[in-house]
Amino acid sequence: GEDVEQSLFLSVREGDSSVINCTYTDSSSTYLYWYKQEPGAGLQLLTYIFSNMDMKQDQRLTVLLNKKDKHLSLRIADTQTGDSAIYFCAESINDYKLSFGAGTTVTVRA
Amino acid sequence: EPEVTQTPSHQVTQMGQEVILRCVPISNHLYFYWYRQILGQKVEFLVSFYNNEISEKSEIFDDQFSVERPDGSNFTLKIRSTKLEDSAMYFCASKGGRGRYEQYFGPGTRLTVT
Repeated sequence: GEDVEQSLFLSVREGDSSVINCTYTDSSSTYLYWYKQEPGAGLQLLTYIFSNMDMKQDQRLTVLLNKKDKHLSLRIADTQTGDSAIYFCAESINDYKLSFGAGTTVTVRA
Repeated sequence: EPEVTQTPSHQVTQMGQEVILRCVPISNHLYFYWYRQILGQKVEFLVSFYNNEISEKSEIFDDQFSVERPDGSNFTLKIRSTKLEDSAMYFCASKGGRGRYEQYFGPGTRLTVT
């Protein structure tokens, strides 16, 4: 079955890089996603990676996937105060559902 | 940029009452979903809908829940007889056809059952 784990909190200084980690258990996962949730808001799709890729870069965001260890990470370069939010990792096996982690609360301090 | 919309943003109802949560998915998307997030907990999958039928549902989605696409634009979630534990944020999401992997979420409806 699907189980996605994330660390709960991350504090980072403005301008530094943030790295948010996630592990998943289902080796059938085909796509892995990162969503951002700001206070009181919905889930914003940040990026996703296909399971046969190792890395994907999109502007300040870099996703790394280690399929052997079932480990996914999201690196945010030059972290800004607007990056303070909850970041959710999610996996998808088919077209029909996403399974989410509990979310990592990222706090950016000046 | 097209987006998923949901109404109302906040719904308060009494236990035992029926509620209908409404969503307008992104036009030309084919897959539709409902998720919920109880305060402080994970986002949980409820149901997916494709080709005018339920394609998958979780164990949360029992006989009290139903979904409908009454016309070409709306997608609704009905809870027949609400319970206190149904209080949560309900998110609608949609995805394009096969070969599209981005699932886009609406802003959510906060349901409070008293």
